Amino acid sequence: GAGVSQTPSNKVTEKGKYVELRCDPISGHTALYWYRQSLGQGPEFLIYFQGTGAADDSGLPNDRFFAVRPEGSVSTLKIQRTERGDSAVYLCASSLTSRTEAFFGQGTRLTVV
Amino acid sequence: KNEVEQSPQNLTAQEGEFITINCSYSVGISALHWLQQHPGGGIVSLFMLSSGKKKHGRLIATINIQEKHSSLHITASHPRDSAVYICAGTQGGSEKLVFGKGTKLTVNP
Repeated sequence: GAGVSQTPSNKVTEKGKYVELRCDPISGHTALYWYRQSLGQGPEFLIYFQGTGAADDSGLPNDRFFAVRPEGSVSTLKIQRTERGDSAVYLCASSLTSRTEAFFGQGTRLTVV
Repeated sequence: KNEVEQSPQNLTAQEGEFITINCSYSVGISALHWLQQHPGGGIVSLFMLSSGKKKHGRLIATINIQEKHSSLHITASHPRDSAVYICAGTQGGSEKLVFGKGTKLTVNP
């Protein structure tokens, strides 16, 4: 595709449920990032993939959050036992390498009720 | 303390005005990004710079490495420039972006 694609664009889930958020990066981009943006705040780093491996997962808030990128392209962010505080816009970005311009998806707005 | 600080937090201008948004960053930031975010969440990368100055249309970004300061300028501002402008730094050694809190720009016709 022409840009970074994230699905779904909106997700409403009940507290305690499991959710998966998907990111399709730009073809050929080896670096992939997940960020979380709460209302009125700048995005905060969650995890960075270089190829298939998580090069830096220091931003994941706790062990309910997990992300994979098994074939080095599509990535899935998984959240177990969702809490109301997880409500935010989850942003994915990709770049050709880790030192080049990042391109962002439109985000997934997660609402936990 | 955030590693990237932006000012002002909010900015209102009249169409045609010259606009400046400022960003200061801490040691360890290896490159500086300016991003634009419209309502609805989509983020567009405007510039990535580690030295000097870049220009694209009516947008100009400058960086002073010694002072650890960057500015985004918009010439001949237009209502369609209304958006949140975010400064972000690439954290050397980790490659992740550290974001400022953003500047909400409103340009009135």
